[in-house]
Amino acid sequence: GNSVTQMEGPVTLSEEAFLTINCTYTATGYPSLFWYVQYPGEGLQLLLKATKADDKGSNKGFEATYRKETTSFHLEKGSVQVSDSAVYFCALSRGDSWGKLQFGAGTQVVVTP
Amino acid sequence: DAGVTQSPTHLIKTRGQHVTLRCSPISGHKSVSWYQQVLGQGPQFIFQYYEKEERGRGNFPDRFSARQFPNYSSELNVNALLLGDSALYLCASSLREGRYEQYFGPGTRLTVT
Repeated sequence: GNSVTQMEGPVTLSEEAFLTINCTYTATGYPSLFWYVQYPGEGLQLLLKATKADDKGSNKGFEATYRKETTSFHLEKGSVQVSDSAVYFCALSRGDSWGKLQFGAGTQVVVTP
Repeated sequence: DAGVTQSPTHLIKTRGQHVTLRCSPISGHKSVSWYQQVLGQGPQFIFQYYEKEERGRGNFPDRFSARQFPNYSSELNVNALLLGDSALYLCASSLREGRYEQYFGPGTRLTVT
């Protein structure tokens, strides 16, 4: 079956540090890949997406590249801010429907001043 | 414009009871999906509805049911509550089924005692 594996948190960083959150997936065919962010007490927000191999999604300084050869979709940001403190979820969907997302367990990121 | 709204915000129920959770999608959105997020885990897909018809169901027991109304709002019902049903229940809406971004509500926190 399909699955998404993320690195465990919490990840604690100082402001302006480089952030990487690893995500690998198992799925047949060509899934679409997503990163969602959840701030305390809120629902999920789509951060970025990629729908085919070698696509790079980017938003708010975050980037992730769809690597089919390594079945990975690692999230990176060059210089984090305190406001980036949140839980980040990697997710995939199969076929033509984005309404049935499969999520990883999430990675908590804590950025200190 | 209002985002996805869910009610109630918090709910405490006793084992064996029944619960109904409600979701109003973004105006114009015709697809609603439900997810269960247990503390410390990623959301798990429960149902997707589009134009009042069930379009997908996750690996949840028959105690879980849902429906979508003509105004595209949705209800999630859970019968015979178990302690393990304690979770954050997230609703997401999208314009229609297919490759359309999902927008998540803030969730309903259900505690079963």
